[in-house]
Amino acid sequence: SQQGEEDPQALSIQEGENATMNCSYKTSINNLQWYRQNSGRGLVHLILIRSNEREKHSGRLRVTLDTSKKSSSLLITASRAADTASYFCATVVTGTASKLTFGTGTRLQVTL
Amino acid sequence: DTAVSQTPKYLVTQMGNDKSIKCEQNLGHDTMYWYKQDSKKFLKIMFSYNNKELIINETVPNRFSPKSPDKAHLNLHINSLELGDSAVYFCASSQESRSNTEAFFGQGTRLTVV
Repeated sequence: SQQGEEDPQALSIQEGENATMNCSYKTSINNLQWYRQNSGRGLVHLILIRSNEREKHSGRLRVTLDTSKKSSSLLITASRAADTASYFCATVVTGTASKLTFGTGTRLQVTL
Repeated sequence: DTAVSQTPKYLVTQMGNDKSIKCEQNLGHDTMYWYKQDSKKFLKIMFSYNNKELIINETVPNRFSPKSPDKAHLNLHINSLELGDSAVYFCASSQESRSNTEAFFGQGTRLTVV
């Protein structure tokens, strides 16, 4: 079954607002990664957080990881129209080398 | 320079045909993958090759055969195409020897079987 579930499935906000997406997973992981996919394009890696890390920042992105709850969140601050895309979490499950298991994705729409 | 490139970008073909999708990476990575994204945007790994050796083979029909002539190339050949094979196929690469590293994805090949 699918490793990760994301919520919300879709999120619509105005430019300047913050966007928060959540991801839950089921088994022990080595790391969790977030990717962005613009419509009709490939996936672009945003940020990786290791299982022994709790929070990580990259520019306007903030990722948290709670391994006790098997969940992660991605916060995009001061959103821009260009942030409109689908966002996927992906886990590398312990013992599965580099295989990425993706969540169901959150479709983010940022309006002017 | 495109890091991971796959061709063609679009492929429309009839049921029963055989087709190939090519993938090349110029990042010097040792591991390459094929992922399938269905109409609901659900992404699932199909295969993974490390230095030309198959290391992951999910439950994919044997009509799908990956071929890795060298570690920079991983092609996907599909025999006897079916309607259900319609999807977007993504090639990706990463450096397996470096743990906790990200994957780089190609732009995708949208396969439509009619």
